[in-house]
Amino acid sequence: NAGVTQTPKFQVLKTGQSMTLQCAQDMNHEYMSWYRQDPGMGLRLIHYSVGAGITDQGEVPNGYNVSRSTTEDFPLRLLSAAPSQTSVYFCASREAGGTGELFFGEGSRLTVL
Amino acid sequence: AQSVAQPEDQVNVAEGNPLTVKCTYSVSGNPYLFWYVQYPNRGLQFLLKYITGDNLVKGSYGFEAEFNKSQTSFHLKKPSALVSDSALYFCAVRDQAGTALIFGKGTTLSVSS
Repeated sequence: NAGVTQTPKFQVLKTGQSMTLQCAQDMNHEYMSWYRQDPGMGLRLIHYSVGAGITDQGEVPNGYNVSRSTTEDFPLRLLSAAPSQTSVYFCASREAGGTGELFFGEGSRLTVL
Repeated sequence: AQSVAQPEDQVNVAEGNPLTVKCTYSVSGNPYLFWYVQYPNRGLQFLLKYITGDNLVKGSYGFEAEFNKSQTSFHLKKPSALVSDSALYFCAVRDQAGTALIFGKGTTLSVSS
């Protein structure tokens, strides 16, 4: 099993550009989520999904879009990148229900100039 | 609102000594608590969780955590630290809706030889 796979690992964007961070999991997990990690701020939830066709906002959703057309994939779209979106992004998944642990991808480091 | 506090940005211990990484929480109802570890340039890895039952929870790599309801704490412990334990540690609590984990800001553990 590959677990949770994120691409790309590194990306540099200019302000105003758009891009998609890809996330795929092969564990048949219903729940998937995107977090961003910033120094001294821990991880903050951007968006999450409890199943195909269902998404919802987390703590910091502005500037990001998500969709969940399959159980396996949960892409994160930056519509018009801003320097404030410079961060490390993590995708995570778990089984349905609230007590299971999250499985994290290796992260995508994004720099917006 | 649910929250997690990790009062120490950094903990320094000598190899072979016991270590404690502190975590306090604030939740409504019964807490579901987690510890994760992050090695440099990697995703987060699950260490252990408390859902219910015994207040002393044992996890991966020899780590354990003690749940204390009266003090609203969930401190991570290890009897004998290893240099390879040096990493960033996150405490997390499940939110009331069961849709997200709320993370603390993280504590850097440095174990010297």
